[in-house]
Amino acid sequence: AQKITQTQPGMFVQEKEAVTLDCTYDTSDPSYGLFWYKQPSSGEMIFLIYQGSYDQQNATEGRYSLNFQKARKSANLVISASQLGDSAMYFCAMRTGGGNKLTFGTGTQLKVEL
Amino acid sequence: DTGVSQDPRHKITKRGQNVTFRCDPISEHNRLYWYRQTLGQGPEFLTYFQNEAQLEKSRLLSDRFSAERPKGSFSTLEIQRTEQGDSAMYLCASSSLMFNNEQFFGPGTRLTVL
Repeated sequence: AQKITQTQPGMFVQEKEAVTLDCTYDTSDPSYGLFWYKQPSSGEMIFLIYQGSYDQQNATEGRYSLNFQKARKSANLVISASQLGDSAMYFCAMRTGGGNKLTFGTGTQLKVEL
Repeated sequence: DTGVSQDPRHKITKRGQNVTFRCDPISEHNRLYWYRQTLGQGPEFLTYFQNEAQLEKSRLLSDRFSAERPKGSFSTLEIQRTEQGDSAMYLCASSSLMFNNEQFFGPGTRLTVL
């Protein structure tokens, strides 16, 4: 069975600072993909970044980077230079092997403060 | 707007009534997914279509739930004899192998069963 664990229900960060959101995963499948999504209060899930299990380098997308530590089964999201608009719920998700469904964690509520 | 669209955005119904939701995926995406998200949780997979074929269903999808994608374009999700436990956000997503099978989500339909 696949499982995603996000242990931080809520996080605060000051504007312009960097923040790390934690995600650990569990799967026995050697082939998998890890995703991060942002969900503002409006409800829409916004795709942020993707990391494949065989990717040699950590994924980066603008201010988002994924700290992928395969041996530890962790895929932490790093947001640099936080902005007020980054305040939202963040979900880590996994897709395994040839499957299609995403398994999500319980999310981390991020609040960016002035 | 060429993103995933869902209709209606909000639905309030009385227990025992039937409801139907619609999802229009991104036009070039052949895969379509339905998820359910309850308060404080991440989305949970319900079902998945490739073109018009429903290829996977979660055990969460009871007999009261039915999903269709008749022409491989839009999809409908019907809930019969709604129960208060059906109150949730219903999210639709679409993807294409051409884009790493990344799932792009719609704004969701929030169902409240009184």
